[in-house]
Amino acid sequence: EIVLTQSPAFQSVTPKEKVTITCRASHNIGSSLHWYQQKPDQSPKLLIKYASQSISGVPSRFSGSGSGTHFTLTINSLEAEDVAAYYCQQSSSFDLTFGQGTRLEIK
Amino acid sequence: QVHLVQSGAEVKKPGSSVKVSCKASGGAFSSYAMSWVRQAPGQGLEWMGKIVPILDVANYAQKFQGRVTITVDKSTNTVYMELSTLRSEDTAVYYCARQAHGTFDYWGQGTLVAVSS
Repeated sequence: EIVLTQSPAFQSVTPKEKVTITCRASHNIGSSLHWYQQKPDQSPKLLIKYASQSISGVPSRFSGSGSGTHFTLTINSLEAEDVAAYYCQQSSSFDLTFGQGTRLEIK
Repeated sequence: QVHLVQSGAEVKKPGSSVKVSCKASGGAFSSYAMSWVRQAPGQGLEWMGKIVPILDVANYAQKFQGRVTITVDKSTNTVYMELSTLRSEDTAVYYCARQAHGTFDYWGQGTLVAVSS
């Protein structure tokens, strides 16, 4: 099983701050890494696919980068509505797996 | 626009089974895999398995092999997930999600399954 480890697990943030979330894979997964946002009491929402590809309708302040075993999700100029949990997910292996999540809270 | 609507919350006894449904509308139902993902209270996301409606073939995560069954009714565009031998650790919100090229691009609203004696 490919294990995804996210950091940090929790971050207290302020509006307009630049936020970076990291996801490390236990094996090389190429660019088969995707990011989701889950707001409280809502279903997850796809933000970024294949490490850096944007999704229609997602604000441009969200971007992704990385390949192999190290990936990052960046939120430029965070807005209050971005308070949520963020998960990475890999599709390189048959058993699809998620990171444990990163929760953002407004300071 | 794809819309996935799931069945309502369930309360089950340990050792019993639960069957959750997910009805799809919009989009090409049979061409995409439909997956089930669960989320225990305050925890992360866990993929359970998927079915490809056009093939009527299901695959399961190793952890759930033998305990989960995913089926499809193509006449009603509905996917089902049955989990057997329930235990308290199975208490979670269960989501169906359309799987497109490795990503989950549309999600149902979630179904809470509570397992309690």
